[in-house]
Amino acid sequence: QITLKESGPTLVKPTQTLTLTCTFSGFSLSTSGVGVGWIRQPPGKALEWLALIYWDDDKRYSPSLKSRLTITKDTSKNQVVLTITNMDPVDTATYYCAHRRAQGYCSADTCYSFPYFDYWGQGTLVTVSS
Amino acid sequence: DIQMTQSPSSLSASVGDRVTITCRASQSISRYLNWYQQKPGKAPKLLIYAASSLQSGVPSRFSGSGSGTDFTLTISSLQPEDFASYYCQQSYSTPWTFGQGTKVEIK
Repeated sequence: QITLKESGPTLVKPTQTLTLTCTFSGFSLSTSGVGVGWIRQPPGKALEWLALIYWDDDKRYSPSLKSRLTITKDTSKNQVVLTITNMDPVDTATYYCAHRRAQGYCSADTCYSFPYFDYWGQGTLVTVSS
Repeated sequence: DIQMTQSPSSLSASVGDRVTITCRASQSISRYLNWYQQKPGKAPKLLIYAASSLQSGVPSRFSGSGSGTDFTLTISSLQPEDFASYYCQQSYSTPWTFGQGTKVEIK
């Protein structure tokens, strides 16, 4: 049974740094192919992909936010941490972490790996206001 | 970044209706396309991955098709619990971008 849960402050002030922790169970982030991502959703708006960390510590970031984001993992604690610097009211959103899996397919002489988020945390609402 | 455009943004339908939502990518993404359902106040739920593979536990009335730049999500017979928002997402390359969403409402 895979579960994920986000934790962190519900209110931050503009210019502050936000630190969010995703605590998970039911899988190991040292297993090949596994990843954990962060996605956010401003109130009433669409989902926005932020960052992804893989089992081998490869990290990917949204280019539009890359200078402000840092994603790390602590395999022994089953945690992934996302920090966002210089928070602004436009960063007010529900922040989700999610488990990344990939399904492999092979046809003829080519194999493919199709990744997706199959398990999500419940989300945590972060409000940026002075 | 690859842009994902969904249509329509919202639709009204009745229980039992066949519903189709489309998603277009700004460049070819092969079959690297996933569909999620989201109900108010809840996390998204994976419905379809790799354009047409049904996630375990998802009812068979949901289906996906397409390849390249054009994709569709079809609900063959809309049920009361299907009234929700639906998002497509490409996983061809990072950043994994989402469509703007389609809200399915009760007529």
